[in-house]
Amino acid sequence: EPEVTQTPSHQVTQMGQEVILRCVPISNHLYFYWYRQILGQKVEFLVSFYNNEISEKSEIFDDQFSVERPDGSNFTLKIRSTKLEDSAMYFCASRTGGWTEAFFGQGTRLTVV
Amino acid sequence: RKEVEQDPGPFNVPEGATVAFNCTYSNSASQSFFWYRQDCRKEPKLLMSVYSSGNEDGRFTAQLNRASQYISLLIRDSKLSDSATYLCVVNSNSGYALNFGKGTSLLVTP
Repeated sequence: EPEVTQTPSHQVTQMGQEVILRCVPISNHLYFYWYRQILGQKVEFLVSFYNNEISEKSEIFDDQFSVERPDGSNFTLKIRSTKLEDSAMYFCASRTGGWTEAFFGQGTRLTVV
Repeated sequence: RKEVEQDPGPFNVPEGATVAFNCTYSNSASQSFFWYRQDCRKEPKLLMSVYSSGNEDGRFTAQLNRASQYISLLIRDSKLSDSATYLCVVNSNSGYALNFGKGTSLLVTP
């Protein structure tokens, strides 16, 4: 069964460093997402990406964040100058259409120290 | 008003019990509704989509009331393996984002 894959599963970084989280969405999907979940809190929408551009972003997704689809398969989230409060689980997701269900990767646990 | 609201629980029920979860959403223009399940420190996994006519999948039944902006999930004959957090998910007005409720925690005990 096709699945969304994310790497790494766990990333530890020092405050102020840049990190890149990587995702390979399901191959025939057209919509790509990043979500985050701070421990014990809800799953929060960060950004959606469609047709090679950001289609929607939340207030959380400020200039510190950027996304890219550098080739036909990878989808990345870059976090510049990480802060302690960026520590969370980051989930990538993809879906075939705008109104269909989304499939989530297993997540990258980011720890900023 | 929060976009998607759920009773956080926890719901503690014995095996075999029937349990119901409710969810309300604020955006009357929302078109897609889902229930996801999340196990501790794992990714959300689709449990079922929710259709206007209501739908059933084995022991699980989902209902949608557009007039009241209300979604429900009924679990019959609860199993130990049903213990998880159940997430109500609603499409944003734009259709791009999926907005999550905080989730309802279920613990099924022997």
